[in-house]
Amino acid sequence: NAGVTQTPKFRVLKTGQSMTLLCAQDMNHEYMYWYRQDPGMGLRLIHYSVGEGTTAKGEVPDGYNVSRLKKQNFLLGLESAAPSQTSVYFCASSKQGPPLHFGNGTRLTVT
Amino acid sequence: RKEVEQDPGPFNVPEGATVAFNCTYSNSASQSFFWYRQDCRKEPKLLMSVYSSGNEDGRFTAQLNRASQYISLLIRDSKLSDSATYLCVVNRLLYGGSQGNLIFGKGTKLSVKP
Repeated sequence: NAGVTQTPKFRVLKTGQSMTLLCAQDMNHEYMYWYRQDPGMGLRLIHYSVGEGTTAKGEVPDGYNVSRLKKQNFLLGLESAAPSQTSVYFCASSKQGPPLHFGNGTRLTVT
Repeated sequence: RKEVEQDPGPFNVPEGATVAFNCTYSNSASQSFFWYRQDCRKEPKLLMSVYSSGNEDGRFTAQLNRASQYISLLIRDSKLSDSATYLCVVNRLLYGGSQGNLIFGKGTKLSVKP
């Protein structure tokens, strides 16, 4: 039982490049979330999903897109990366609302 | 006023000390409350939920005061392994919806010294 798995763990992008972060959970959770964590800012919700095929915007959705084609996977896409998107990204899942189970995080640097 | 506020610390305490963290929240519609622990460069992990009547888990005691919109975490007999950042988390319904939204505080850093 792996819980919540994020790939990749680290990535460096140049401004304007695109990438997709993958989150996979094996707990049969309905809800999945993407957060970013920046120094002095705390965790902020980017997008979330309450079930397969549904997504919704969180607090800071601009510059990101998501998809939940399968219940166990939640993808976060950056179409044109910007230095302001340098952050640590955490995926989380929950059965139905809190508490959340977090993945190990992805450290992204955009130069 | 920020929605969830915590003293960032750091709190530097000796082993065996008792330490208390406070957290205030501004939205009276907040429904549920949690403390998470986050080790350096790791993901947040649930430490405990916070119930209105107060609850205890070993050396950890959490309390909620809805009238004052205040949450606390007390750690007794601090261990070196308690060194971490403690995040206060508040859940409230999104406007017009049934989906809750977790609001994370910025965290309080604790360092327990030998």
